[in-house]
Amino acid sequence: GAGVSQSPSNKVTEKGKDVELRCDPISGHTALYWYRQRLGQGLEFLIYFQGNSAPDKSGLPSDRFSAERTGESVSTLTIQRTQQEDSAVYLCASSFQTFNNEQFFGPGTRLTVL
Amino acid sequence: GQNIDQPTEMTATEGAIVQINCTYQTSGFNGLFWYQQHAGEAPTFLSYNVLDGLEEKGRFSSFLSRSKGYSYLLLKELQMKDSASYLCAVRGSGATNKLIFGTGTLLAVQP
Repeated sequence: GAGVSQSPSNKVTEKGKDVELRCDPISGHTALYWYRQRLGQGLEFLIYFQGNSAPDKSGLPSDRFSAERTGESVSTLTIQRTQQEDSAVYLCASSFQTFNNEQFFGPGTRLTVL
Repeated sequence: GQNIDQPTEMTATEGAIVQINCTYQTSGFNGLFWYQQHAGEAPTFLSYNVLDGLEEKGRFSSFLSRSKGYSYLLLKELQMKDSASYLCAVRGSGATNKLIFGTGTLLAVQP
């Protein structure tokens, strides 16, 4: 497809379970970002990948959160032992280069932890 | 610390002009962005300012004053489809391109 895609679009899970969210960036985009958007709040940076460089994990809220990226393609965000406060929309974005002006966002994954 | 402020909600009339303000206090500055986000959809890029002044793009314009830590998004000839959240974001200093977002302004355009 032409845009950033994410799956699943919605995920409902029980507290304590692990979840895995997937992001497919636009082909050729070397930079990939994960953001979290809680209800009524702004987007919160989580993690950034750029090529083979070490990722910027400075936004991850706890060690229950981790992310991987295979080369310059798919990325997965994993949340272990989910908590109710993890409920949010998780957005992925990609751009051509690190300092490119425009980040293209995917539609997000709405995570609900019961 | 990092702080970006914008009004929570605004209402305007179809055909009118509306200005959405954003003030910021960040550690470093490498550009300010405005995104539009319709309910349940991904944010889409509207504008980018890195130098002081006004950037015009069709019905949308964005202004930046770095000395005042201030920006606004101006929407002209409002249409019903402009009803959305408008997100102000600042790119801080550092090696990454991560954006620091405000909470967004929910604009309701009324007939």
